[in-house]
Amino acid sequence: DGGITQSPKYLFRKEGQNVTLSCEQNLNHDAMYWYRQDPGQGLRLIYYSQIVNDFQKGDIAEGYSVSREKKESFPLTVTSAQKNPTAFYLCASSMGRQETQYFGPGTRLLVL
Amino acid sequence: KQEVTQIPAALSVPEGENLVLNCSFTDSAIYNLQWFRQDPGKGLTSLLLIQSSQREQTSGRLNASLDKSSGRSTLYIAASQPGDSATYLCAVKRNDMRFGAGTRLTVKP
Repeated sequence: DGGITQSPKYLFRKEGQNVTLSCEQNLNHDAMYWYRQDPGQGLRLIYYSQIVNDFQKGDIAEGYSVSREKKESFPLTVTSAQKNPTAFYLCASSMGRQETQYFGPGTRLLVL
Repeated sequence: KQEVTQIPAALSVPEGENLVLNCSFTDSAIYNLQWFRQDPGKGLTSLLLIQSSQREQTSGRLNASLDKSSGRSTLYIAASQPGDSATYLCAVKRNDMRFGAGTRLTVKP
């Protein structure tokens, strides 16, 4: 089946800890995105990548980092600098930046 | 900066009713507008995509319209069913996608 997978479904972070959220796609899409969703708010763009080894900051990149070493993978690291990380994180991909985005099932991050 | 607003924030209707969800945006210079469905704790599923040159799109019981000049879109759901209960989000695209906060729809049997 073609699609986008995110893991884990739930993730718990301790104070001062870095955690990494996984996003993998087998749709052969060039562009990939990370969004954060908070209750009662729309999705906000954290980072996006249009090609391998290149990525750009979105609106709320502070406290996050990404890498794009392979076309299929776009992991997001939530660093200790992100003081309010509790949220639902969604990964998406598209053929090109102007094309329809397809979303993964999301990862819920909680702070212990 | 593009702002997207969805009204109402929540809506509860009896089964079988026709309903309209509203989306407004502040900058009319968009490439397209998309309506998504989100079930609790899940990702987004694309419902309809309207290009900036189009006025409406239809899929089954769903019809979405776009009035770019006034910065408005509506999603019309005909003969609503309990399975339609979900949050509906609209998003407009130019360089990036900008999302509204969504309308949480409950269809009661």
